[in-house]
Amino acid sequence: KQEVTQIPAALSVPEGENLVLNCSFTDSAIYNLQWFRQDPGKGLTSLLLIQSSQREQTSGRLNASLDKSSGRSTLYIAASQPGDSATYLCAVWGSGAGSYQLTFGKGTKLSVIP
Amino acid sequence: GAGVSQSPRYKVAKRGQDVALRCDPISGHVSLFWYQQALGQGPEFLTYFQNEAQLDKSGLPSDRFFAERPEGSVSTLKIQRTQQEDSAVYLCASSPAGYEQYFGPGTRLTVT
Repeated sequence: KQEVTQIPAALSVPEGENLVLNCSFTDSAIYNLQWFRQDPGKGLTSLLLIQSSQREQTSGRLNASLDKSSGRSTLYIAASQPGDSATYLCAVWGSGAGSYQLTFGKGTKLSVIP
Repeated sequence: GAGVSQSPRYKVAKRGQDVALRCDPISGHVSLFWYQQALGQGPEFLTYFQNEAQLDKSGLPSDRFFAERPEGSVSTLKIQRTQQEDSAVYLCASSPAGYEQYFGPGTRLTVT
């Protein structure tokens, strides 16, 4: 059974700092990997989707990398802002017949202090 | 266009009551998913529909949980005889077949 771990569970940084969130998964036979953002009382907003053939994706101040062989992904946030405060979730897509099924980590709760 | 909507947004039920949670997917999306998110945890897969067919219900935690999508659009997740451990946020997502899932805001269920 696929297990996804996110480290750290919580992170507090001053505004303007660059930061890295980590995600690891136990079964490297994944289809895609996706990073989401969740604000309190709201659903999930997709940030970046890395397909299995890709090694990274970038969107604005966000960059996500994927190393399937080692079972790791990182989300890099540059020049953090208070509006980045949220919980960040990593999810892996299953492979083969179960490719629709997302397995999530518990998330990293980020606080950016003005 | 409109995203995935869920109702009610908040539901308080007394232990033993039945509840029904509704999901309106994005128009035209073939696939629909339900997830359960306990406090401090990531979402966990419950069930998956392709059109009106329920293709995977392996994540439903007990036979008190039942989901349907009779016309291939709106879906209802029903929980019978609610228990305190059912307290969670229930998330619905929809997608065009094989593509990225779009999530609704969730229904927060509290069982007292």
